Amino acid sequence: GAGVSQSPSNKVTEKGKDVELRCDPISGHTALYWYRQRLGQGLEFLIYFQGNSAPDKSGLPSDRFSAERTGESVSTLTIQRTQQEDSAVYLCASSPPGGQPQHFGDGTRLSIL
Amino acid sequence: QQQVKQSPQSLIVQKGGIPIINCAYENTAFDYFPWYQQFPGKGPALLIAIRPDVSEKKEGRFTISFNKSAKQFSLHIMDSQPGDSATYFCAASLATGGGNKLTFGTGTQLKVEL
Repeated sequence: GAGVSQSPSNKVTEKGKDVELRCDPISGHTALYWYRQRLGQGLEFLIYFQGNSAPDKSGLPSDRFSAERTGESVSTLTIQRTQQEDSAVYLCASSPPGGQPQHFGDGTRLSIL
Repeated sequence: QQQVKQSPQSLIVQKGGIPIINCAYENTAFDYFPWYQQFPGKGPALLIAIRPDVSEKKEGRFTISFNKSAKQFSLHIMDSQPGDSATYFCAASLATGGGNKLTFGTGTQLKVEL
């Protein structure tokens, strides 16, 4: 079956622009997670959605970052007024009810010029 | 605060060798410990995972050893092959009150040489 799909796979933008990243989870997965992976580092948790519950935004690094999810479908991560330190790979994961295991997409590689 | 510490940062072994990657955690409430494998340009893929009620789990050539009292766990790769060359991440999560979000180690770059 189809895995987690993320788009675009690569995004290059100028500092100060807004970007929107998209994640299509595996069908039937109720939980969706966003992580950030800086070059040569581990993954950092950003935000978590579970069904219709309020999202856990505790990992968002600043108010320039926001995310939405409609029901149990697509999610978008938005970064406003991008800064060079936002350059990273943004990874999305989804999981079935119960929370584990998390299945990851291949990420969006974001480069801020 | 780094809650999951992973070592070594990089590792080179010969084909057929048994690389061992170690992780230590701080939060005793963690209750799920997966290992992920990541190839360049790809997302992490789950290899094997363990819960703290067992001390060892094997799946194919991959084994997790878990020491609850020491708050440590490790990944062993038996009969390693060049195709195992990748970056490996340990992680931990907290189900109750934690939403199952994963806290990752910093990764180990493994190279298996012929």
